[in-house]
Amino acid sequence: NAGVTQTPKFQVLKTGQSMTLQCAQDMNHNSMYWYRQDPGMGLRLIYYSASEGTTDKGEVPNGYNVSRLNKREFSLRLESAAPSQTSVYFCASSEARKAGGNEQFFGPGTRLTVL
Amino acid sequence: GENVEQHPSTLSVQEGDSAVIKCTYSDSASNYFPWYKQELGKRPQLIIDIRSNVGEKKDQRIAVTLNKTAKHFSLHITETQPEDSAVYFCAAYNQGGKLIFGQGTELSVKP
Repeated sequence: NAGVTQTPKFQVLKTGQSMTLQCAQDMNHNSMYWYRQDPGMGLRLIYYSASEGTTDKGEVPNGYNVSRLNKREFSLRLESAAPSQTSVYFCASSEARKAGGNEQFFGPGTRLTVL
Repeated sequence: GENVEQHPSTLSVQEGDSAVIKCTYSDSASNYFPWYKQELGKRPQLIIDIRSNVGEKKDQRIAVTLNKTAKHFSLHITETQPEDSAVYFCAAYNQGGKLIFGQGTELSVKP
């Protein structure tokens, strides 16, 4: 099993350009997440999808959109990139649980630079 | 919303010593508290977790304690080794279905 995979690994954009980060998992997990990681700020949740067909905002959703394409895939789109979106982006997935959280499995990350 | 504070931000210990990292959370409804280890340039990986119905959990050299009344939890690493050097994140899962992370602790174990 590949676990959680992300593409691309690295990307450089100019301000105003758009792009989509792709994420897929082969663990049959219901829940998927997008985080950004900035120095000294830990991991901050951008959007999440508790199950196929649903998406919800996290802590820092502004400037992003998401699509839960099917159970395996969850994409993150930047419509008009800004330098403040320079970050490392991680996708994660977890098994749903009736009450309480479960271990989240992370992808390898995408390092995005916006000039 | 939930807020998770983590201390210290950096920690340096000698090989063989113990290391303790502390976190506090604000939402009393939070019920799941994982700890992740992230090596340089790698993805975060779960090392231990604890649920709100348990006060302590151990796994070899790693232990986590939870004090629900005070709303804080701690990671204890005993007999530290150079390969323990990494950034460690605590997190709290609230009823809203979100995992909120602390700011991270960079642990350095000197041989």
